[in-house]
Order: sequence, then structure tokens, then C-alpha cells
Amino acid sequence: KNQVEQSPQSLIILEGKNCTLQCNYTVSPFSNLRWYKQDTGRGPVSLTIMTFSENTKSNGRYTATLDADTKQSSLHITASQLSDSASYICVVWRSNYQLIWGAGTKLIIKP
Amino acid sequence: EPEVTQTPSHQVTQMGQEVILRCVPISNHLYFYWYRQILGQKVEFLVSFYNNEISEKSEIFDDQFSVERPDGSNFTLKIRSTKLEDSAMYFCASSPGVVSGNTIYFGEGSWLTVV
Repeated sequence: KNQVEQSPQSLIILEGKNCTLQCNYTVSPFSNLRWYKQDTGRGPVSLTIMTFSENTKSNGRYTATLDADTKQSSLHITASQLSDSASYICVVWRSNYQLIWGAGTKLIIKP
Repeated sequence: EPEVTQTPSHQVTQMGQEVILRCVPISNHLYFYWYRQILGQKVEFLVSFYNNEISEKSEIFDDQFSVERPDGSNFTLKIRSTKLEDSAMYFCASSPGVVSGNTIYFGEGSWLTVV
């Protein structure tokens, strides 16, 4: 079954701290993996897109990793800011049109 | 930066009524999508649209739903005979192409409440 599982479900950290969010997937065939940031009540915004051959990709304070062998990805956020509070969703692109969505990790940054 | 715009931002409708949600995709994009997200749940794919026809649709997208690109700029989702369970945030999205590396840009969503 094509699934994307994310952990933890929610996470609270203090401003300035780092954190890592996890994504495991069982999607086939695999095309690429995306991380989105979704603020409450707003549309998802793309952070990174990683293909099969990419192990690491950074976008500012966000660094995504991909291990295609173990079918795992992580999103590391460095020096968190209050504006990082959001849901972070892992999405695997399976075919031309089909995206398999994770349930997201709700991240709360406290001052 | 170009963006996908959606209207209305919020609509309340009575069960059984028809609703039309409107979207203006990014102007040079060729692929358009509708997704929905029931409160607290995952984003779900509804339909993709290219070259004035549906490319792919999910099981959710049954005869109650239809999409249209009436005038070359707007992209609409029509929901006939709405049900309580249709209450959700509906996201329109567009992408330049369907090559797997393309970013999909999402609108801010239309929140539909069926009462």
C-alpha cells in the first residue's frame, strides 16, 4: 500500500533550538519526495524537492535528507524561529499526477 | 512572486446546495489541481486538469464534482448537492508542467462549511 508516515505527530521546542522531523514511505514507483510547510488555515508551501539520487538538499535553515534504500527522509530545522511554527508535510510523488501525502508534523516554537 | 488565487476564502452553504469554488492559476502554468483537506486530516488529491480535460481523478472525485476552465484564466470546482462531509478546505494548485521536478504552487484555500 502506498503510504507516507511522519513522526512525531507534534513537537514543541524552544526558539533557537534545532529539531528533526522524520518521514518514512512505502510508495512505488518513487519519483521524488517533497517537504511542504503549511501554516494553519493556509495553503502548503514547498520547501524542498528531492529526487532518487539526492541525499541532502538545503533551503536556508531547512535541510532535507533522503535515504532511498531505507525509504526514509528527514527535515532538519536549524536555529528555529517563532515563524517556523506550522505543520510540515512530507509528500511523495508517485506518478505524473499522484502525490501521496503524509499527515504532517505539527511544530510549535515557544519563545 | 506570482501566486494562485482562490475565491471565496470562506463559504457557508446549506446541505443540498451547489457550490462553485474559483481559482486563478499562475498565468504560464499548464497543469491545474484541486485538493481538499478536512479539518485535522491529510491533504487529499481530487483531480488534475490539463489541456482542457481531466488528466487524473481520485475516488473522492465522483459525479458530485466537476471542474471547468471556462475562460482561459479561471479554473473552477463545482460541488453539486453538497453534503455535511464536504466541509473542508479546498486548495487549488498549478504547476508549469508535469515533469516530476516541477514545484506545485498552492492557493490559500477556500474553506467550505456545509450546514
